[in-house]
Amino acid sequence: SYELTQPPSVSVSPGQTASITCSGDKLGDKYACWYQQKPGQSPVLVIYQDSKRPSGIPERFSGSNSGNTATLTISGTQAMDEADYYCQAWDSSIPYVFGTGTKVTVL
Amino acid sequence: QVQLQESGPGLVKPSETLSLTCAVSGYSISSGYYWGWIRQPPGKGLEWIGSIYHSGSTYYNPSLKSRVTISVDTSKNQFSLKLSSVTAADTAVYYCARGVDTAMVYYFDYWGQGTLVTVSS
Repeated sequence: SYELTQPPSVSVSPGQTASITCSGDKLGDKYACWYQQKPGQSPVLVIYQDSKRPSGIPERFSGSNSGNTATLTISGTQAMDEADYYCQAWDSSIPYVFGTGTKVTVL
Repeated sequence: QVQLQESGPGLVKPSETLSLTCAVSGYSISSGYYWGWIRQPPGKGLEWIGSIYHSGSTYYNPSLKSRVTISVDTSKNQFSLKLSSVTAADTAVYYCARGVDTAMVYYFDYWGQGTLVTVSS
């Protein structure tokens, strides 16, 4: 089965840039998306189709995908960005594969 | 604005069947998109359970396929999940969501608030 691996945690200072990686075999050949989940809330789509932002998502969220790694970048990180982040991609074995999740802490 | 709302029992006994319904408002299921169920055990990550199209076409996570049934009622604009022979491992927050499924682009753009289902005697 297909697996997507993320670092368990990422720490970032307010105003700095946070980068969250998602690794999977030939992930760059697929489309990746990213969800933000705050405690006690439902996931929110922040990036789809590698780098597109849904309406209402701040421009500080951006995405890229190449090789075996997709990356979510948060520029000018704010305290409100503290959350868990999950990547997700398609595979022939299972259409919706989620990553292991990354907890972003804004110190 | 598309809204989804899960409903169903919060407590299910081991070996019984978990049943949940997702009511959709602000969009007609008959108009398209896939409609899915995702779960999240306490303190853990997300797991896709299965999805259904308005026509009734379904696809399921292979790891759960033998126990899962998803159905749709377009007249009520809702879809449902049944998971049989539950164990404590099925304790989770269950979310319903609207799924995009076109040309290798797969993601969920609208999610319900989620409902906690505990499996315990």
